[in-house]
Amino acid sequence: ETGVTQSPTHLIKTRGQQVTLRCSSQSGHNTVSWYQQALGQGPQFIFQYYREEENGRGNFPPRFSGLQFPNYSSELNVNALELDDSALYLCASSLLGLEVDEQFFGPGTRLTVL
Amino acid sequence: EDKVVQSPLSLVVHEGDTVTLNCSYEVTNFRSLLWYKQEKKAPTFLFMLTSSGIEKKSGRLSSILDKKELFSILNITATQTGDSAVYLCAVKKSSGDKLTFGTGTRLAVRP
Repeated sequence: ETGVTQSPTHLIKTRGQQVTLRCSSQSGHNTVSWYQQALGQGPQFIFQYYREEENGRGNFPPRFSGLQFPNYSSELNVNALELDDSALYLCASSLLGLEVDEQFFGPGTRLTVL
Repeated sequence: EDKVVQSPLSLVVHEGDTVTLNCSYEVTNFRSLLWYKQEKKAPTFLFMLTSSGIEKKSGRLSSILDKKELFSILNITATQTGDSAVYLCAVKKSSGDKLTFGTGTRLAVRP
């Protein structure tokens, strides 16, 4: 196991609701990246947080937002949920600035939007 | 647009077989290529390759990168049922940048 934790494990929401997903990074890591993985697809990059600032964003609308806290943990917020937001949401932590900077993934949160 | 293509999309083999999974990519400012194994939820890290022609090996798994032809292969020898999973290939463009993933290869190893 990587030491990256996510909560909740899974949840069910209805269209139009809002959701907050949480991620605790691996000890010693300063960067958290969020990915959305639809069924049968590879993960798609949502955004990355470094030193509490957004450090790169993928092709996702503004209703996807995030935060990083001083302890490097992070939240992903999704407003006005749509059916297509149903997916596995993965966070990955890494240590920015090293030559070897592979990302380690948490177990994910499976979101179902009805 | 950055692109990572994996083949085959799925593969069924018997225990003891050797498999080769392919990953080709088109990205600007390539930095590294990573392989992950995804069984249920969390992709688990297998290899990171940055230099062309240097094989990375871990037990029955090995991988090599060809930066001239823009592809990588992941080999698994003497497959076991525990190797059944989706194998993801991802490319990173620069330090700290996002990973761009392929759709994965679903491997099923039958007893």
